[in-house]
Amino acid sequence: SQQGEEDPQALSIQEGENATMNCSYKTSINNLQWYRQNSGRGLVHLILIRSNEREKHSGRLRVTLDTSKKSSSLLITASRAADTASYFCAPFQGTGRRALTFGSGTRLQVQP
Amino acid sequence: GEEVAQTPKHLVRGEGQKAKLYCAPIKGHSYVFWYQQVLKNEFKFLISFQNENVFDETGMPKERFSAKCLPNSPCSLEIQATKLEDSAVYFCASSQFTNTEAFFGQGTRLTVV
Repeated sequence: SQQGEEDPQALSIQEGENATMNCSYKTSINNLQWYRQNSGRGLVHLILIRSNEREKHSGRLRVTLDTSKKSSSLLITASRAADTASYFCAPFQGTGRRALTFGSGTRLQVQP
Repeated sequence: GEEVAQTPKHLVRGEGQKAKLYCAPIKGHSYVFWYQQVLKNEFKFLISFQNENVFDETGMPKERFSAKCLPNSPCSLEIQATKLEDSAVYFCASSQFTNTEAFFGQGTRLTVV
């Protein structure tokens, strides 16, 4: 089944800096979604980018998608301590198993 | 409701005992998904439902795990004869369609001792 692999596994930055996380996947997709998990909580949907889109913005989040390289990136600009969380990508195939599958995520620590 | 409600928040069971977890999806959502997360690592997909019908159960350990989504009742995930390795946080999610965003509950932490 399709699942994304996030990179890096862990990232530590200072407040105000930008954070970039990457996701690679293996097969063609219908869309790709990014989620955040705060410690001890469920996943929260951040943004969905369709396979025919190359870039999408939502507040301080910018997501890019390169279907030729089968990769996506999530950029958080001007990070805050509250952005500390694990971030997961979920490539959605649309065929076969029609459920989101998740990798191990990127653990982001934003130092105040 | 406007959020996915999972109960209980915590569940402790002795090895060999039964565990039953519940999930009330968001009203109007047709799809329900169950995931298992061990040690804050990756989410293992278990099973999905389209309304009360099993949609995909390829992730379910068949011997001891079962799940149901009956009309007018919370969905449930049941583990018979729990083992130590079943200790995990079990998340339920619901969505309107399979290709739209999924809304997750806060999870049930199962500890098997």
